[in-house]
Amino acid sequence: NAGVMQNPRHLVRRRGQEARLRCSPMKGHSHVYWYRQLPEEGLKFMVYLQKENIIDESGMPKERFSAEFPKEGPSILRIQQVVRGDSAAYFCASSPSGTENTEAFFGQGTRLTVV
Amino acid sequence: AQSVTQPDIHITVSEGASLELRCNYSYGATPYLFWYVQSPGQGLQLLLKYFSGDTLVQGIKGFEAEFKRSQSSFNLRKPSVHWSDAAEYFCAVGYYNQGGKLIFGQGTELSVKP
Repeated sequence: NAGVMQNPRHLVRRRGQEARLRCSPMKGHSHVYWYRQLPEEGLKFMVYLQKENIIDESGMPKERFSAEFPKEGPSILRIQQVVRGDSAAYFCASSPSGTENTEAFFGQGTRLTVV
Repeated sequence: AQSVTQPDIHITVSEGASLELRCNYSYGATPYLFWYVQSPGQGLQLLLKYFSGDTLVQGIKGFEAEFKRSQSSFNLRKPSVHWSDAAEYFCAVGYYNQGGKLIFGQGTELSVKP
């Protein structure tokens, strides 16, 4: 039973380019969460998605960032026109349900570097 | 606002010594509490979790944590630290009506002296 799969593991983009980060949840999990970890900081919640629905996007920056979790395929976190401040580790987690006491399983993250 | 505080940014202990990592949360309702460990360049691994019941929770790798409602704390402990325990430790809380969304503390980096 594969865990949460994120790709790529490392991504380098020039300022102004687009970054696409992918997350395949664990088998049987229909809830996905994205977190961002800036250097020397903890993880900050960005967005919570179910299949074809955004449940909570309270942590998403207002511009340039978007996320989706289509009916088929992985969840995608998209960052348009990247800037140096977007350099961070982006972690995806998945859970089998959306109840409060569910355990979320984390992927190994995508480390984005903007040059 | 909901928040999680890990007062110690960096802790160094000798191998074989006991360990306690502190975690405090702010919220009136009973939270759901987690401790995760992150090795350099890796993802997060769940050490233990508290949802309800016995306030002393046992986890993997010999770790335990105790939920103290009166102190809004969920401190992580280990009686004897091994060199392989050197890593970053994160406390996290989840809340009613927020699904599986977690709020993380800023982390405590643990170094282990031989």
